Amino acid sequence: RKEVEQDPGPFNVPEGATVAFNCTYSNSASQSFFWYRQDCRKEPKLLMSVYSSGNEDGRFTAQLNRASQYISLLIRDSKLSDSATYLCVRNNAGNMLTFGGGTRLMVKP
Amino acid sequence: DTGVSQDPRHKITKRGQNVTFRCDPISEHNRLYWYRQTLGQGPEFLTYFQNEAQLEKSRLLSDRFSAERPKGSFSTLEIQRTEQGDSAMYLCASRPGSLTDTQYFGPGTRLTVL
Repeated sequence: RKEVEQDPGPFNVPEGATVAFNCTYSNSASQSFFWYRQDCRKEPKLLMSVYSSGNEDGRFTAQLNRASQYISLLIRDSKLSDSATYLCVRNNAGNMLTFGGGTRLMVKP
Repeated sequence: DTGVSQDPRHKITKRGQNVTFRCDPISEHNRLYWYRQTLGQGPEFLTYFQNEAQLEKSRLLSDRFSAERPKGSFSTLEIQRTEQGDSAMYLCASRPGSLTDTQYFGPGTRLTVL
């Protein structure tokens, strides 16, 4: 089993839709997580950190469920510019990051 | 541009050749990380430095790979006797230290081994 698992998608949604991704992780001792966004052939960029019970940033909400060992990302009112791959990331000791395989989102007009 | 920079951005080489990549982190970031990303996968950790000290190396980093950060600023990643399986995007990231967990990634070096 991979340490961080994601549904690769793609998720095809119309503009304005709400979409949610889940990510599961295997190390119950993990303390913190991130969601990174990666555009095609570009570097990953931090979207948001996920600490304790989760957090919200504009149209984006991240939730952490430690009991079930999963993290979710909710995107409301999807924009065309949200089309990208979303990477679920576990923060390990020494800040070495373990990435999931990514979930691809395509927002259509 | 004050972000992480990497050079070259693209490298095509023949199997068996040696290649070296450079990463310049954000100024005063004392932690520097190398990752490798293959098509359709997330980045995988290779190694990291705190200042000039290499503190951790992944099992992915075979004997053919070596990384240095001699003065605690820029870093180099060398691959000797390249193989086709080394074809990937090599990403560098830096972080300012204990104040934040956020890593800032460079644009990557895309390696193609023919």
